[in-house]
Parts: sequence; C-alpha cells; structure tokens
Amino acid sequence: DQQVKQNSPSLSVQEGRISILNCDYTNSMFDYFLWYKKYPAEGPTFLISISSIKDKNEDGRFTVFLNKSAKHLSLHIVPSQPGDSAVYFCAASRPAGGYNKLIFGAGTRLAVHP
Amino acid sequence: GAVVSQHPSRVICKSGTSVKIECRSLDFQATTMFWYRQFPKQSLMLMATSNEGSKATYEQGVEKDKFLINHASLTLSTLTVTSAHPEDSSFYICSARIAGGPDTQYFGPGTRLTVL
Repeated sequence: DQQVKQNSPSLSVQEGRISILNCDYTNSMFDYFLWYKKYPAEGPTFLISISSIKDKNEDGRFTVFLNKSAKHLSLHIVPSQPGDSAVYFCAASRPAGGYNKLIFGAGTRLAVHP
Repeated sequence: GAVVSQHPSRVICKSGTSVKIECRSLDFQATTMFWYRQFPKQSLMLMATSNEGSKATYEQGVEKDKFLINHASLTLSTLTVTSAHPEDSSFYICSARIAGGPDTQYFGPGTRLTVL
C-alpha cells in the first residue's frame, strides 16, 4: 500500500526554466510534508517542508504547494540549475505512538541540462 | 546546523561477522533517531525507530535480533548487523530529529555495507 506516490520517475528540464515535481498521498492523517534531495551514495538533504495548515511555503528558489482536498503537493524550483540534478523524494509524516514517522515516495530523478 | 554523521561510510565484511554502524547528531540533541535501508533505485525503507534510553521500535518484517539498535545517549545511536549475510548488503542511512523540534528528520551520509 503506497501511501505516498511520486508517479514520475524522471523529469528533464532546461537550465533557467521551472522544475515541477509532484507527489500524491492517500492518508488524510498526514499532517506534515517534506521534500528531500538526494545524490547517489549520500544521505537525503532536507529542502523544504509544509504543515497541513498551510497551502504554500517558499524558501529561495524552492516553493512547496499543498492541495489538501486533492491530497497533492508539488515542489517548484525556479530557476532550475544544473546543480539541482538529483533524486527528489517527497515524504509525509503521521503520528505513530508519540513520534512521527516519515513515509517516503519512490523519488523523481531531475535532470537539469544547459 | 542539524548535522548528522555516520561511521563508517563504507564497510566490507565476511559472511557471518557482525558490523556496527554509528550515527551521531553533531550539533543538536536527538531523542529520536531512525534507521533506513535503501536498495538500488528504490526509496528509503524505515527499519526501526530508536528512542534514547528505551528499546527501539522495529517495522514489520525487520528482525530485531539481526539488526540490534542501541540509543545510549542523546547524540548517538548504533545499528549492529549481526551474523551478516550477502543479502544484508545495502545502503544504510540514519536520521535524527531535533529534540522538541518539528518532524523534520536530518539524514546522515549513509553507510554502504557489502557482505562477501
């Protein structure tokens, strides 16, 4: 049962353009959502998060949008840079026995080309 | 801030031996640490949640006796893979939450385990 889905395994974007990565979830109990960036053989790096009480959070070139009714969130990167090329994971948090576990999507590989 | 280290970064061992991986939060206290495993081209799979001073909570299907977790202090958790076999070869990643902070987990750089 995949509670967090990233349906696009890969995305290719030209440098300077906008990258939009999408994520869908099924569990309405999720109350906190995060995006991570990961390079091969490294741990994920936290990028940005959003609480379920908000619909938008912005940090520099990164903006996360949350549509609770559609159970959908997206990460916008603008302008995209070659250094943004990596695998992006969305994650959702739900209360579980006093601590919140993260449920990860399968990831989307972003390639930003000149 | 929020730096997590892992040691070793890479380990190769013979089948049947035990391997210990350390996870440290360098600039914050972490009452809760998490251990993940990542197979090639797949997502991160949570193995267990490590709480300081108490027993770890394992996910379904993860053998407690094979993957021993100890969280003895607010900055250190260890994962010991006991009697390792080739199928245990994987990329192991830990993460930590800031005590009293939001649900954001900060990840270590990962440990590549290869069992011959």
